[in-house]
Amino acid sequence: ETGVTQTPRHLVMGMTNKKSLKCEQHLGHNAMYWYKQSAKKPLELMFVYSLEERVENNSVPSRFSPECPNSSHLFLHLHTLQPEDSALYLCASSQDEDRAGTEAFFGQGTRLTVV
Amino acid sequence: GQNIDQPTEMTATEGAIVQINCTYQTSGFNGLFWYQQHAGEAPTFLSYNVLDGLEEKGRFSSFLSRSKGYSYLLLKELQMKDSASYLCAVRDLSGGYNKLIFGAGTRLAVHP
Repeated sequence: ETGVTQTPRHLVMGMTNKKSLKCEQHLGHNAMYWYKQSAKKPLELMFVYSLEERVENNSVPSRFSPECPNSSHLFLHLHTLQPEDSALYLCASSQDEDRAGTEAFFGQGTRLTVV
Repeated sequence: GQNIDQPTEMTATEGAIVQINCTYQTSGFNGLFWYQQHAGEAPTFLSYNVLDGLEEKGRFSSFLSRSKGYSYLLLKELQMKDSASYLCAVRDLSGGYNKLIFGAGTRLAVHP
């Protein structure tokens, strides 16, 4: 149990579907993140929310739409995805302060396959 | 921009010591983290350095030299369960908020 829960764990969707990924953190953190992990590539930072405000949108296509309704919940809304979007999507949270003990905690990820 | 380099793969023998190096370039350095990731699982936190020097935590130690943009993770008394990917990550404060940027990871295989 990492304190960060992602659902669903696996998702297969067609290119015309709309789906959402959900992330919930139980750690009282003030920052949440979406990362994409593709085979043989580094973890790619997609979005950063700090105090429920989106502070980074890392050149992510508009077919990915994040939502952070409160400090404990983060969503990633997906629509008209492409097969190359198939990857592991990881949510993380941290306490955004400059000290030790502010490491990011990751959820187990959603394995997304676009067909 | 940011750039983080680490070897792609390493192999070592059970009981031995292995050192995984990481070099980085970033404009807003605010700490360096090492994570372990087993196949199909989430990354888990191993260590944190923000000042120069060595941080030791059991069988794992991490070193940082900010002037050289260099860190290493040292794993002692290797066990088979240490076979995993090890991710070097830099916390970057450029832009006025912290974000964690990852290297591609080093896949470590421990053999009997």
